[in-house]
Amino acid sequence: NAGVTQTPKFRVLKTGQSMTLLCAQDMNHEYMYWYRQDPGMGLRLIHYSVGEGTTAKGEVPDGYNVSRLKKQNFLLGLESAAPSQTSVYFCASSGTSGRAYEQYFGPGTRLTVT
Amino acid sequence: AQSVAQPEDQVNVAEGNPLTVKCTYSVSGNPYLFWYVQYPNRGLQFLLKYITGDNLVKGSYGFEAEFNKSQTSFHLKKPSALVSDSALYFCAVRDLLYNFNKFYFGSGTKLNVKP
Repeated sequence: NAGVTQTPKFRVLKTGQSMTLLCAQDMNHEYMYWYRQDPGMGLRLIHYSVGEGTTAKGEVPDGYNVSRLKKQNFLLGLESAAPSQTSVYFCASSGTSGRAYEQYFGPGTRLTVT
Repeated sequence: AQSVAQPEDQVNVAEGNPLTVKCTYSVSGNPYLFWYVQYPNRGLQFLLKYITGDNLVKGSYGFEAEFNKSQTSFHLKKPSALVSDSALYFCAVRDLLYNFNKFYFGSGTKLNVKP
């Protein structure tokens, strides 16, 4: 049981490049989330999903797109990276009962855009 | 509207002393409350939660938290701090009735435990 995994762990992009961050969970959770964490800013929700095939905007969605084609995977895309998107990105998942009420977080992806 | 406030950016405590990290919340419905800990260069780890029942909940690493409905607070406590408790702590709330889809996080409190 790996929990929540994120790929890659580190990435450096040049302005204007694109990339996709992959999040996978093996807990059969309905909900999945993408956050970014910047110094002094806490966690900010980018997008989330309440089930396979559904996505919704969070607090800071601009410049990002997401897809959830399979229940266990949640992809975050940057179509044209900007220096303002330099951050640490965390994926999380949660369910609707028992021990699944809380969120389980992945280890993070550190992204630098130059 | 749902929100969480952690009024202290940083808490300093000596090893062996009790510690408290404060959290207050605002929700429209019934709150599910959580504490997470983040060590440097790591993801957030779940510490404990309040869903229903006893107002005092116990969690990992000897931490506990008390749900106080009248004061809308959920302070994190530990009777005797360890240097290894030094980390960033986040309080979060999930609204059972009105916005179950999202978690609302506080801004985090850095706990420094000195030997």
